[in-house]
Amino acid sequence: AQSVAQPEDQVNVAEGNPLTVKCTYSVSGNPYLFWYVQYPNRGLQFLLKYITGDNLVKGSYGFEAEFNKSQTSFHLKKPSALVSDSALYFCAVRPMDSNYQLIWGAGTKLIIKP
Amino acid sequence: GAVVSQHPSRVICKSGTSVKIECRSLDFQATTMFWYRQFPKQSLMLMATSNEGSKATYEQGVEKDKFLINHASLTLSTLTVTSAHPEDSSFYICSARGAGGTYEQYFGPGTRLTVT
Repeated sequence: AQSVAQPEDQVNVAEGNPLTVKCTYSVSGNPYLFWYVQYPNRGLQFLLKYITGDNLVKGSYGFEAEFNKSQTSFHLKKPSALVSDSALYFCAVRPMDSNYQLIWGAGTKLIIKP
Repeated sequence: GAVVSQHPSRVICKSGTSVKIECRSLDFQATTMFWYRQFPKQSLMLMATSNEGSKATYEQGVEKDKFLINHASLTLSTLTVTSAHPEDSSFYICSARGAGGTYEQYFGPGTRLTVT
């Protein structure tokens, strides 16, 4: 079965330090990969996507993600964390043969401490 | 651009009544809209996919007669929870995808439904 794994329920980072939120997937073919962020009681905001091309993609709010085909990973990164980055982050994958439906990771709560 | 709105943001209703949630794409035409349900501290569960002018496709385990979806235009989809029960209380989120080469979905802010 196709799946997306976010192995960490929660990630704690001190403000100013780099952060990484991990995502791996098990999907056939070459899927499209996405990161979304959700603030409390809010809908999801699109951060970035990988479709094709350069493995390092840059997105909103200074976030970037690196696609690694051999490891089937798409980790989210930011060089210097802000307290305002504290939120719930979701990795999602769209198989190429899907009706634009996404397979979602369970989410990772990111807590940035001052 | 790519703004999706939902109305209402919060609704409280009594058991047995029906509730309608609207999802609108404000600045683009949404050929496909998705309805999700999210439980506290959990990921999104896709309920159904709807394409404008056609019947929605429901995910396994989702009762189509209970969760009525209408995608009447390229900018509006509605989800009606019929004969609501307390277990229907949840956070409902819609998303929309535009036409052409748009890969990502754009999400509404969500609707918190509480059934008493």
